[in-house]
Amino acid sequence: GQQLNQSPQSMFIQEGEDVSMNCTSSSIFNTWLWYKQDPGEGPVLLIALYKAGELTSNGRLTAQFGITRKDSFLNISASIPSDVGIYFCAGQPPGANSKLTFGKGITLSVRP
Amino acid sequence: DAGITQSPRYKITETGRQVTLMCHQTWSHSYMFWYRQDLGHGLRLIYYSAAADITDKGEVPDGYVVSRSKTENFPLTLESATRSQTSVYFCASSEFGVGYGYTFGSGTRLTVV
Repeated sequence: GQQLNQSPQSMFIQEGEDVSMNCTSSSIFNTWLWYKQDPGEGPVLLIALYKAGELTSNGRLTAQFGITRKDSFLNISASIPSDVGIYFCAGQPPGANSKLTFGKGITLSVRP
Repeated sequence: DAGITQSPRYKITETGRQVTLMCHQTWSHSYMFWYRQDLGHGLRLIYYSAAADITDKGEVPDGYVVSRSKTENFPLTLESATRSQTSVYFCASSEFGVGYGYTFGSGTRLTVV
């Protein structure tokens, strides 16, 4: 099946710093989504992207749907302690009935 | 409460027992999903449903059974629990379809001993 690659597994940043996360694949995707999961909770949708090249912001978060349709990035600006969590990318492969594929996630730690 | 709720939040069961995890959503979303989350594997789709009485297998369906007699409920049953089914299970729903954003429940942590 089509896989989404997220690396590294963990990132450590200082409060106030910006951070960028990538999600890549060898296959194209029709939709890209970014989720955040807090400890003990389910993933929460942060940003959804439906068109190649689309750039969308949600507060301090910005995400882009890559032109090649094989990647997406998520930027977090001016990080704060509550940004700690696991960030997942997800994508819908081509095909009207294709379910979302999830990356394995990046654990973000923010040092105060 | 509005939203998607899962019960129980925690469950310990013995190998070989049948256990059912419940999922209820208040939005009348057509699509519902069951995922399991394991270290090193991320989220893997077990089963999904496009509407009441319509269900289909996902990536890892073996050992699980689902039903959907009502739009709002989507229970997941482990027919004979095995240790390899120890995991965190998430239910999700989607209003617009399989390729759009899913809303997840808070999860059920299941331990099979």
